[in-house]
Amino acid sequence: KAGVTQTPRYLIKTRGQQVTLSCSPISGHRSVSWYQQTPGQGLQFLFEYFSETQRNKGNFPGRFSGRQFSNSRSEMNVSTLELGDSALYLCASSITGTGRNTGELFFGEGSRLTVL
Amino acid sequence: AQSVTQPDIHITVSEGASLELRCNYSYGATPYLFWYVQSPGQGLQLLLKYFSGDTLVQGIKGFEAEFKRSQSSFNLRKPSVHWSDAAEYFCAVAHNAGKSTFGDGTTLTVKP
Repeated sequence: KAGVTQTPRYLIKTRGQQVTLSCSPISGHRSVSWYQQTPGQGLQFLFEYFSETQRNKGNFPGRFSGRQFSNSRSEMNVSTLELGDSALYLCASSITGTGRNTGELFFGEGSRLTVL
Repeated sequence: AQSVTQPDIHITVSEGASLELRCNYSYGATPYLFWYVQSPGQGLQLLLKYFSGDTLVQGIKGFEAEFKRSQSSFNLRKPSVHWSDAAEYFCAVAHNAGKSTFGDGTTLTVKP
C-alpha cells in the first residue's frame, strides 16, 4: 500500500509570493491533516479535512488555507509568503480521525519550503 | 489547555544500553497518547499508541511505553538501543479529528 505522498519535496520562494503544496493520502484514508514544523515552534497543527470539509483549524493567519478534493487528495496554500513561513510542512492521513483511530496519523515526508 | 512536555531536549546513550524518554501530558479527558519517531529529512512514523486498557503498550522496533495516569506520564522505553535508533522522538496527545498536540521532541544520539 502506497504511503502518504507530498509534492513538491523542496521549494524556494521569495517574500510576497504564494505557494501550493499537495498531499495524496493513503488509499482509503479520508482524513488529511497539515502540520508546520520549525526548529523554534516545533510541530504546529494547521488544519484537518474530512470528506472535503474542514473540521479543525489551528491558530494560523488567514494566509494559510487548504482544501480537499473528492478523492481525498488535499492541497494547502500560503499566500503573501513571509520569511517566518520557512518550514517543513507535513501532511498526515488517517482512516477517519475518530473513535479508536483518533490521532493515529500516517505522515508523508514533507515539503521543505524556504522563503528568501 | 492541552499540552505535552518532553523534559529532555537531547539524550545520549551508548549502543546496547537501555533508554527511557520522558513525556508528561496535560489533558482533561482520557488521553489518546502516541510516540512518533522522525529520522532526518523524513516524516514522522508511529511507534506505538495508547487508547485504554493495559497501561504497558508494545510498539515497533522493540519499543514500549507505560501510561501512568497518576503521574500524567507516558514514558518510552527500550531495553537495548541500536545505532539505528538515533533520531528525534515525539510524544503526542490526540484531541479529535486529525488534531494532535506534539511535544517539542527529544533527540537521541547513540554512541558506538
